[in-house]
Amino acid sequence: SQELEQSPQSLIVQEGKNLTINCTSSKTLYGLYWYKQKYGEGLIFLMMLQKGGEEKSHEKITAKLDEKKQQSSLHITASQPSHAGIYLCGADINGGSQGNLIFGKGTKLSVKP
Amino acid sequence: DAGVIQSPRHEVTEMGQEVTLRCKPISGHNSLFWYRQTMMRGLELLIYFNNNVPIDDSGMPEDRFSAKMPNASFSTLKIQPSEPRDSAVYFCASSFQVTYEQYFGPGTRLTVT
Repeated sequence: SQELEQSPQSLIVQEGKNLTINCTSSKTLYGLYWYKQKYGEGLIFLMMLQKGGEEKSHEKITAKLDEKKQQSSLHITASQPSHAGIYLCGADINGGSQGNLIFGKGTKLSVKP
Repeated sequence: DAGVIQSPRHEVTEMGQEVTLRCKPISGHNSLFWYRQTMMRGLELLIYFNNNVPIDDSGMPEDRFSAKMPNASFSTLKIQPSEPRDSAVYFCASSFQVTYEQYFGPGTRLTVT
């Protein structure tokens, strides 16, 4: 069973549009990490969230962790072709001190120019 | 910083052969992680080290897989004997501390025929 669910699995948007990717777990997320991956390459760290209600932004990407710490969203404003790739969320669901992360299956984002 | 370095980037081998994957973590990081990524199962943690000591190897598929970290700047993942189902992209990641964000290498794409 997949303990970390991402939605949607894939997304095609027109350049300039906003979009949201979700990451949901039935367990408490002790540390939620967002990564971006391009085909054939490694994962690039985007942001880390730890506290319920926490929100972080970097350029046009904003990530939030809900108060219950069971869901996170990644929002991209005014998408650009450079945002295309696979977005993965990773989380520690075992208690916050282990480093044993599980990952969602990823959301494949395509941005049409 | 050069980032996490992995070698080789691509490996094609025949079933039954021994395969050794190598990783050099970011200098100063004391935690190192080995992952495997496939279309079917996504990104899975195989094993991780803290201060060169294996902490959790519960993700290692079976006895054919072994990992070592003889010093702070080098780790290997060995598969002996290799099987076609081992074909995947293997990533190494490192972090400053176990619960800090992980930085991934470019991966080794392994094909076992």
